[in-house]
Amino acid sequence: QSVLTQPPSVSGAPGQRVTISCTGSTSNIGAGYDVHWYQQFPGTAPKLLIYGNSNRPSGVPDRFSGSKSGTSASLAITGLQAEDEADYYCHSYDSRLSGSVFGGGTKLTVL
Amino acid sequence: VEMLDSGGGLVQPGGSLRLSCAASGFTFSSYVMSWVRQAPGKGLEWVSAMSGSGAGTYYYADSVKGRFTISRDNSKSTLFLQMNNLRAEDTAVYYCAKAPALISVANKPFDYWGQGVLVTVAS
Repeated sequence: QSVLTQPPSVSGAPGQRVTISCTGSTSNIGAGYDVHWYQQFPGTAPKLLIYGNSNRPSGVPDRFSGSKSGTSASLAITGLQAEDEADYYCHSYDSRLSGSVFGGGTKLTVL
Repeated sequence: VEMLDSGGGLVQPGGSLRLSCAASGFTFSSYVMSWVRQAPGKGLEWVSAMSGSGAGTYYYADSVKGRFTISRDNSKSTLFLQMNNLRAEDTAVYYCAKAPALISVANKPFDYWGQGVLVTVAS
C-alpha cells in the first residue's frame, strides 16, 4: 500500500483533458513538501515530467501541468495524444518516514 | 548525463548481491544518489539514498534497513548497493537515480535515472 494514493487508471479520447490525482497526508504533501511527477513506458526507466509541483523540465510539452493544494496534488494533460499512453507516478518526501515516497501509479489509456 | 546499472541476477533467499551504477556527464560527488526499485507489475519504491561528497549521510527505507548498505566511490563516479539476506519480496528492477541536491532528497525530484537492473530472489 503506497503512502501517496493515485487512481489505478484513467482514460480519455485524443484531444481531451485528463487529470490524475495524488493524495497524501500531513507528513508529506500537507507538510509542504514538493510533489514531482514521472512518466514511465513499459520496460523503460521513469522520466521526470513535473518537478516542484508545477515546473516542467526542458523538453516536456506544455500540455502537461501540475498543481498542489493542501494534502493533494494533480497532474493535468490537455490535448491528449496516443503517445501519452503510459504509467504516471507522483513522488514526494515524508517527514515521518524520513524518505521519499511514491504513489502507486496511474495507467493512462488513450481511447 | 548517463547512468549504467549493473550487477543484477538470480539469487537464492538469504543470499547477497551487489549492484553498481556507473555515472557520467555530471560532477558525481556533488549530488545525492538514490536507489529506487519496482517489483514486477508494481509501482515505484524508494530504497536508499546517500549524500554527496563530505556529507556522509545515509537514508534507508524501513523495508531494507539493516540488510542493504549504500555506498559510493566518487573517484570512479560509481554508486553501489550491497544487498544481504535477500527475500522473495526484494525481487524487482532496481534503478539508480540522481537528485539535484548535495545532502538530502527532501523536496528534490529524481532528475536522471539509470536503465535499471533486474534482481530475482528465488530458490
